[in-house]
Amino acid sequence: DAGVIQSPRHEVTEMGQEVTLRCKPISGHNSLFWYRQTMMRGLELLIYFNNNVPIDDSGMPEDRFSAKMPNASFSTLKIQPSEPRDSAVYFCASSSQRGGRVQPQHFGDGTRLSIL
Amino acid sequence: QKEVEQNSGPLSVPEGAIASLNCTYSDRGSQSFFWYRQYSGKSPELIMFIYSNGDKEDGRFTAQLNKASQYVSLLIRDSQPSDSATYLCAATTGGFKTIFGAGTRLFVKA
Repeated sequence: DAGVIQSPRHEVTEMGQEVTLRCKPISGHNSLFWYRQTMMRGLELLIYFNNNVPIDDSGMPEDRFSAKMPNASFSTLKIQPSEPRDSAVYFCASSSQRGGRVQPQHFGDGTRLSIL
Repeated sequence: QKEVEQNSGPLSVPEGAIASLNCTYSDRGSQSFFWYRQYSGKSPELIMFIYSNGDKEDGRFTAQLNKASQYVSLLIRDSQPSDSATYLCAATTGGFKTIFGAGTRLFVKA
C-alpha cells in the first residue's frame, strides 16, 4: 500500500516567493497533520484536519502560513511570502480516527525547504 | 503549555545490551502514547503505541506506561547498531492533537 506522499522532496527558493507543499494521505485515513521540524524546535504540529475540516491551527506561526484540504486525498501548505526562518523539514502525516483511542500517525518522507 | 520531555542524550549502549529510553508528559489527561524512531535525514517511523498502564511488548521492544507518574518508557533488548537513531516520544493532548518530545539520540556500539 502507498504511504503518505509528499511533494516536492526538496525546495529551494528565494525570500519573498510563494511556496506550496503538497500531501496525499494514506487512502482511507481521515485525519491529516502538518508538522515542521528544525534542530532548535524539534517536531512542531502546525495544523491538523479531521474529515477535511481544520480542527486546530494554533501551531501555524503567522498569517503567512495557510493550509487547505479540499478533499480526502489532498492537502496543501502554503507560505506567502516566504522568509529564511521558514527553512525546515515539513512533514505531513495521516491517521484513521474513528472515535475512541487516538490512532498512530504515519509520516510522509517530508519536504526539505530552504529559503535563501 | 503542554509538554513532553525527553533526555536529549546521546545514550550510548554496547551491542546486545538493553537500551532504556524515558519520557515524561505534563497533560494528565493524555490517553495515547507513541514511540517513533527517526534515522538521520528520514521521517519518523512508528515503533510502539500504548494506551493502558503497564507493559506492552513487541519483539525486542517493550513500552511501559505509568499514568500516575506521567511517565512512559521504551526498552530495546539485544540492541543492534541498526537501532542507532533518535527516538521520539509523543502523547495526545486534546482531540487528536499529538505533542512530540525533542527526542533521545541512541548510539549502539558494535
